[in-house]
Amino acid sequence: GAGVSQSPSNKVTEKGKDVELRCDPISGHTALYWYRQRLGQGLEFLIYFQGNSAPDKSGLPSDRFSAERTGESVSTLTIQRTQQEDSAVYLCASSLGRGQSSYNEQFFGPGTRLTVL
Amino acid sequence: GDSVTQMEGPVTLSEEAFLTINCTYTATGYPSLFWYVQYPGEGLQLLLKATKADDKGSNKGFEATYRKETTSFHLEKGSVQVSDSAVYFCALRGSGYALNFGKGTSLLVTP
Repeated sequence: GAGVSQSPSNKVTEKGKDVELRCDPISGHTALYWYRQRLGQGLEFLIYFQGNSAPDKSGLPSDRFSAERTGESVSTLTIQRTQQEDSAVYLCASSLGRGQSSYNEQFFGPGTRLTVL
Repeated sequence: GDSVTQMEGPVTLSEEAFLTINCTYTATGYPSLFWYVQYPGEGLQLLLKATKADDKGSNKGFEATYRKETTSFHLEKGSVQVSDSAVYFCALRGSGYALNFGKGTSLLVTP
């Protein structure tokens, strides 16, 4: 079946503009994660959704970042008033559930490369 | 807090050479350890994992052993191929659910 998809694959924007990044998880996956990878850095956790529970936003770097998820489907990550330091690859992952079980392997999308000029 | 440190790249090897990519971690409790691989133009894929001390994860000729005494999870392969050229990420999952990644090591295998 289809894997995790993300759009757009690349986004170039000007400093101060808002951007929306989209993630389509694997069908049936209740857990969805957003990560960020800045150049030369490892992936940083941003936010986690599990079913209808309140999301874990503990990784969001500032209040310019927000994310939504409709039920157990599509998620949108929004960055307002973008800054140059927001330039990164934004990765989305989904899993069947949460926790340590191998049942809950995270499957990653190809990412959105965001460049803020 | 939890963290992962892996060797800096890029690593360049000739085909059929032996590969080691070092990974050490800091974590409380008993984390699960992972190696992910990202081939050019593709998303991250789970390569192998180990969930407790002394476990050995293996896949596609790659192996890594969870060493609690040295807090390490080094990735090895006896004979690399050109198709192994990719970026390799070591990661851990502690008491939570998010993965904590190293910075990645780029591997280039030449014919």
